[in-house]
Amino acid sequence: AQTVTQSQPEMSVQEAETVTLSCTYDTSESNYYLFWYKQPPSRQMILVIRQEAYKQQNATENRFSVNFQKAAKSFSLKISDSQLGDTAMYFCAFMKPPGNSKLTFGKGITLSVRP
Amino acid sequence: GAVVSQHPSRVICKSGTSVKIECRSLDFQATTMFWYRQFPKQSLMLMATSNEGSKATYEQGVEKDKFLINHASLTLSTLTVTSAHPEDSSFYICSARSLSEETQYFGPGTRLLVL
Repeated sequence: AQTVTQSQPEMSVQEAETVTLSCTYDTSESNYYLFWYKQPPSRQMILVIRQEAYKQQNATENRFSVNFQKAAKSFSLKISDSQLGDTAMYFCAFMKPPGNSKLTFGKGITLSVRP
Repeated sequence: GAVVSQHPSRVICKSGTSVKIECRSLDFQATTMFWYRQFPKQSLMLMATSNEGSKATYEQGVEKDKFLINHASLTLSTLTVTSAHPEDSSFYICSARSLSEETQYFGPGTRLLVL
């Protein structure tokens, strides 16, 4: 079975600075997908970024980028130029294809952006 | 990204009554939808996987007679909490799988309070 570990329960960052959220996972699969979801106070789960394991290039979405280290089974999220609206809970998740497979979530990390 | 709606957003009911929650994929067809439960400050807990035209698959420990799931079309899945009790009070979230993107998109959630 797959496991996803987010060891930091909380982090804080000053507005406009950069922060990195850590995630490690354990799997015996070679092909899979990794995700970061954001859950702001409204509790709507929002997809931040998606990485396919067979792609070596790290995914980026505007201010969000990942550092995907397949051998180390590490998938960290970097948020550049942090904004107050980035304050949220962030979940790392693993999925084995096909897409009707379940998402395995980490426990999440609460990120606070300070003005 | 793809849009998933959920209705109602919040509901208060009396103990012993049944409550139905709808989950719709608005701009894509979803052969598979998922139902989650989430307690405050915690991760999402998968309750069941809903496949269009077939019976749902429930996670261990989830009572299928209590949490009835119907996925009658490619855009609609419903979760009915039967004979609700105060311990069923929670935040329920659905997600729908996008075939083209191998990604789950989430509804905004439903807050259920059973008095």
